[in-house]
Amino acid sequence: ETGVTQTPRHLVMGMTNKKSLKCEQHLGHNAMYWYKQSAKKPLELMFVYNFKEQTENNSVPSRFSPECPNSSHLFLHLHTLQPEDSALYLCASSRGEAESPLHFGNGTRLTVT
Amino acid sequence: GIQVEQSPPDLILQEGANSTLRCNFSDSVNNLQWFHQNPWGQLINLFYIPSGTKQNGRLSATTVATERYSLLYISSSQTTDSGVYFCAVPPQGGSEKLVFGKGTKLTVNP
Repeated sequence: ETGVTQTPRHLVMGMTNKKSLKCEQHLGHNAMYWYKQSAKKPLELMFVYNFKEQTENNSVPSRFSPECPNSSHLFLHLHTLQPEDSALYLCASSRGEAESPLHFGNGTRLTVT
Repeated sequence: GIQVEQSPPDLILQEGANSTLRCNFSDSVNNLQWFHQNPWGQLINLFYIPSGTKQNGRLSATTVATERYSLLYISSSQTTDSGVYFCAVPPQGGSEKLVFGKGTKLTVNP
C-alpha cells in the first residue's frame, strides 16, 4: 500500500460543478505537491507546499484552488473546469529538502464533461 | 530552464531480454530520480541517484553527473516491467521541485 493516498480514484464532473480532490500522506514528510498528467505531455508541476506554506504556483488557472491544512493533508478544489482539464492528477510528498525522493499517490483520473 | 530528454520514446521487448533507458539533462543537478508508471497510473520511485550506481534486484541505474546523463538498466525483463519510465531532475540547483522527461514507454511481451 502506498504511503500517499488519493481519493477519489475516478471523478466525472460537469463544467459547472464544484468538487475536491484529497491527498493524505503517512510518511512524515514536510512537502506535498500536485502534478497534472495529460495525454502525451510530461508531468506538470502545479503546486508545492512546504511546511504548509505554498512555495510554488506554476501559473495554474484560478479554477484550481489548493489547500494544505497541515503537512499530512492536501486538497485541490475544482470549480468551473473545462474539458481540457481532464487528466490524471497526482499528489506527491517528500521530506522537502532538495535531495529527497518523491513519493506519489495513485492519482485521480478526472473527466470534465 | 533545464531540459530533460529521454530515449528511446518507445521500446518493445520479449520477456527475458535486457534493456537500457537513457536520460540526458542540460544542466548540472544534485538530484535525479527514476520512476516507473504502471498501466494503472501508479508512479513508483525506483531510484534516487544524483551520481554513481545503484542496484535493486533486476534494475540498476547509473548517473554520470559530469556528462549530464543517467542510464536505467533492466535485466531479464518481465511483463510486469511494462509501463512508462520517467527520469526527473530539479529545474535548478537546490530546489525540491522536479522537472520530468517525457518518458520511455516499455512494453514487455510474453
